[in-house]
Amino acid sequence: DAGVIQSPRHEVTEMGQEVTLRCKPISGHDYLFWYRQTMMRGLELLIYFNNNVPIDDSGMPEDRFSAKMPNASFSTLKIQPSEPRDSAVYFCASSLDSYEQYFGPGTRLTVT
Amino acid sequence: EDQVTQSPEALRLQEGESSSLNCSYTVSGLRGLFWYRQDPGKGPEFLFTLYSAGEEKEKERLKATLTKKESFLHITAPKPEDSATYLCAVQAGDTDKLIFGTGTRLQVFP
Repeated sequence: DAGVIQSPRHEVTEMGQEVTLRCKPISGHDYLFWYRQTMMRGLELLIYFNNNVPIDDSGMPEDRFSAKMPNASFSTLKIQPSEPRDSAVYFCASSLDSYEQYFGPGTRLTVT
Repeated sequence: EDQVTQSPEALRLQEGESSSLNCSYTVSGLRGLFWYRQDPGKGPEFLFTLYSAGEEKEKERLKATLTKKESFLHITAPKPEDSATYLCAVQAGDTDKLIFGTGTRLQVFP
């Protein structure tokens, strides 16, 4: 299995622009998680889905962030408009039963 | 509020020098405690899940243990390739979300 796939691996954008991060979970996994990692705050859960349905989005920082999972093999995390404080590494993880989560390689986002 | 605290923040070891990493937690209704390894520029890699106090799991030079208040990751005779950040996380209550600690950065020198 290829593991969790994320794209792009690096994204540099200007403040105010829209950013879309993409994730393909491991085939057969029912859970998908979006995390953000920064030096200051560590690894934080943003939102997670079960069977394509958002279950808990309490970690989404504000309305500028949105996430979708249109099918079992694809999810997006969108930031609009982006701000410099959104700069971080964003990880997607998937899980068969919500316990063992397998992480992707991450997308390093820089907002200037 | 559920909390996870890891110590030390950083640890430098000589190759072969065994040591332990600590993860203390305060949660309501622990469902599982997880250990991950993260190498620079990569996503966390799953190591262990512990479900109840007294449980132990081993993998090569690593051994994880769990009590009602904390978990230890014991590293026996570490090698330079064990250098990484080790993250602890808990899952509690009726949610599937993981709460992560800030990690211990381990460096093993030859």
